[in-house]
Amino acid sequence: AQSVTQLDSHVSVSEGTPVLLRCNYSSSYSPSLFWYVQHPNKGLQLLLKYTSAATLVKGINGFEAEFKKSETSFHLTKPSAHMSDAAEYFCVVSERPDDMRFGAGTRLTVKP
Amino acid sequence: DTGVSQDPRHKITKRGQNVTFRCDPISEHNRLYWYRQTLGQGPEFLTYFQNEAQLEKSRLLSDRFSAERPKGSFSTLEIQRTEQGDSAMYLCASSYPINTEAFFGQGTRLTVV
Repeated sequence: AQSVTQLDSHVSVSEGTPVLLRCNYSSSYSPSLFWYVQHPNKGLQLLLKYTSAATLVKGINGFEAEFKKSETSFHLTKPSAHMSDAAEYFCVVSERPDDMRFGAGTRLTVKP
Repeated sequence: DTGVSQDPRHKITKRGQNVTFRCDPISEHNRLYWYRQTLGQGPEFLTYFQNEAQLEKSRLLSDRFSAERPKGSFSTLEIQRTEQGDSAMYLCASSYPINTEAFFGQGTRLTVV
């Protein structure tokens, strides 16, 4: 069965410093992997997705993630945090379109 | 295209009452999903439609829950005899059949008192 673990429930960074949100997954197949962001009072928005093409995936707002099969990881990074990046981030694994498994989420705080 | 729309945004109800939520997906999307999100957790899959057919239901969806998508367009999620444990955010999403990306609505926050 597929599952996803977000290793940090809360990450705090200063504005302008790098962001690293960690995600490990478990899957019997070659899954699709996603990162979604949820701002307060807004719907979940797709940041980026991996579907067995390039292992380094670039997303919106300067985020990117690297698929590492040997480590079963799909960590999300951004070189320089902005105040507007403060939100909840969800890593998602999917073996088929109707079965998306969300992690518990990582709350990102950005300090001025 | 206004995205996925959910109504109402907030619902407060007394325990034992029935509630119904509506979801309008993106118009050309034939897949529609319902998820439930409790505080501090990620969304959990409840059920999924392809057009009007309900293809899968999670074990989370007890007999008190029912979902419909009568004409393959909008969908409703009904909870009968609500319990305090039903308090959560109910999220709707839609997608194309080929592109696995799901687009989410803003959700309906249910509070059962």
